[in-house]
Amino acid sequence: GENVEQHPSTLSVQEGDSAVIKCTYSDSASNYFPWYKQELGKGPQLIIDIRSNVGEKKDQRIAVTLNKTAKHFSLHITETQPEDSAVYFCATGGSYIPTFGRGTSLIVHP
Amino acid sequence: DTAVSQTPKYLVTQMGNDKSIKCEQNLGHDTMYWYKQDSKKFLKIMFSYNNKELIINETVPNRFSPKSPDKAHLNLHINSLELGDSAVYFCASSPLAGEREQFFGPGTRLTVL
Repeated sequence: GENVEQHPSTLSVQEGDSAVIKCTYSDSASNYFPWYKQELGKGPQLIIDIRSNVGEKKDQRIAVTLNKTAKHFSLHITETQPEDSAVYFCATGGSYIPTFGRGTSLIVHP
Repeated sequence: DTAVSQTPKYLVTQMGNDKSIKCEQNLGHDTMYWYKQDSKKFLKIMFSYNNKELIINETVPNRFSPKSPDKAHLNLHINSLELGDSAVYFCASSPLAGEREQFFGPGTRLTVL
């Protein structure tokens, strides 16, 4: 089955800095790569996703890059703000079974 | 309107009891899921239902059983609760299994004493 590795497990940055979270996956059949943000006491919520026919996608301060050959994808957050503090999950899909990474706790210090 | 709702939000019970968590989605999605999130925030998929048929059944104990009376509901029944069942359980739904965004409910925190 699919195996998704996510790093780092914890990321601490100063407000205004950039943050990068990386994931690798094992199943070459995966073709959908979402990123979810989970705030304290809430369920995960999609923030951006990318499909295998695209290498990069941006939405304001958030971007995701995908390297299908190397089987890795990354989340980039620029100009971080305290409200970006949360747990971020990468995931893969495409074969009925969505698989999540173990999560990254992002802490943005004011 | 709440897209995916779960009840109850908190559930405290004794070991050995049987309990249920209810989930409803009003998005018209075909697929619903149950996840377990442990204290380290790891999200583990437990079940998925597509058009009232189970399409994923991870290696969870058979004390856990999903029941879907219709496409909008996927309830989770847990028999003979154990201490290790303590976790946050999330229901989610999506238009298409595995290939589209999932919408998560607010979670149910289960504590087994």
